[in-house]
This record gives sequence, structure tokens and C-alpha cells, in this order.
Amino acid sequence: GNSVTQMEGPVTLSEEAFLTINCTYTATGYPSLFWYVQYPGEGLQLLLKATKADDKGSNKGFEATYRKETTSFHLEKGSVQVSDSAVYFCALSVYSGGGADGLTFGKGTHLIIQP
Amino acid sequence: DGGITQSPKYLFRKEGQNVTLSCEQNLNHDAMYWYRQDPGQGLRLIYYSQIVNDFQKGDIAEGYSVSREKKESFPLTVTSAQKNPTAFYLCASSIGLNNPQHFGDGTRLSIL
Repeated sequence: GNSVTQMEGPVTLSEEAFLTINCTYTATGYPSLFWYVQYPGEGLQLLLKATKADDKGSNKGFEATYRKETTSFHLEKGSVQVSDSAVYFCALSVYSGGGADGLTFGKGTHLIIQP
Repeated sequence: DGGITQSPKYLFRKEGQNVTLSCEQNLNHDAMYWYRQDPGQGLRLIYYSQIVNDFQKGDIAEGYSVSREKKESFPLTVTSAQKNPTAFYLCASSIGLNNPQHFGDGTRLSIL
């Protein structure tokens, strides 16, 4: 089956620090990979995506590279801000041939940025 | 603006009652999904629908039911058979296969 593993939180950093949130996956077939962000009391927003090996997704200063050899999709940002405080979810989807299956999510990483 | 609307934002249910959560989208997306989120856990797929009048069970469908009579709407009913219904429920939609999903703001269901 498909699964996503991401680092446990909460992760607490100071403003302007470098951020890495690890994500690894197992999947049957060739997955597309996503990072979503959830702010308190809200739904999820797509942060970035990558659909094939070596693709780099980027948005709002965040980046993640699809590494097929290590089955990873780590999220990075060079200088975090207090407004980046949220829960981050790594997710994958695989076209099974049977249709549009749902996403498989990791458990989420709560990021706290202190001023 | 296009998007997904879930209502209500907060919902309370008495033991033994069925309750229906609304999800409407004006993005012209074919596929729609329902997820359940519990504290400290990721999202788990309840049901999904690729097209009108068709839907499939996800990982945790027991105690839930859905319908897809219109492209724009995908309501979720939490039945009395669902023994632990207190959770945050998220609806999503996508253009189709392997495309990013767009989420609503969620409905928080609590048992009185």
C-alpha cells in the first residue's frame, strides 16, 4: 500500500532560521507528491507539488525536490517567518488505473516560529 | 471567486442521530473527496467521487454515506453507526486524476 512518513513535531525555530521538514514515502507505481499547509481552524492549502522524479516544486520561498532514489520529498525554506507557523502535511497520489483515488497524507508537522 | 464551501462550520449531534455535512464547489471539478482529521493524525479518506452518480469507499467508510447527484455537490452523512464521529471533516475537489486537491475550510462535528 501507499504511505507517507514525516518528522514528528512540534518543530520550534527562531525567525530567519533555516527549515527542513523530512518526508519519505512508499508507493505502488509512480506517485505525484505534494506539500499542504493548514493554518489554525482552516482547511488545507496546496503549498507546492512535483509530479516526476527530480522535479522541484517551489512556492512562497519553500522548496521540495522529488527524489526517487531515496523516496523523499523534504520541505525546505531558507529563512522562516512568524507567519509560517502552521501544520505542514506531505501527501502523495497514485493513479491506480481505476480512477481518481484520494491523497495519502502524513500525520503532519506542527511548525512554530518564534520572533 | 471559485472555491469550495463547507457548511456549517460547527455542528453538534446527539447520540443516535444522523447528521449531514454540506460541500459545494463552483470550480467545475469532476472529482470530490471527504476526509476526516483527528488530533495528531493525518487526514484519512472517507469517500470519493470521480463523476456524478458514482462514488467509492475510502479507507474509513464505515458509518458514513454520501451521494453525488450534482457535479457541484457532495454531501456526507454521518450515521448513528459511526461510533466515534467527533472530528474535523474536510471536503476537497480536483480536476481529475492525480491533480492537486482544493480544500474547503472544514466542519467540526461534536457529540452532545
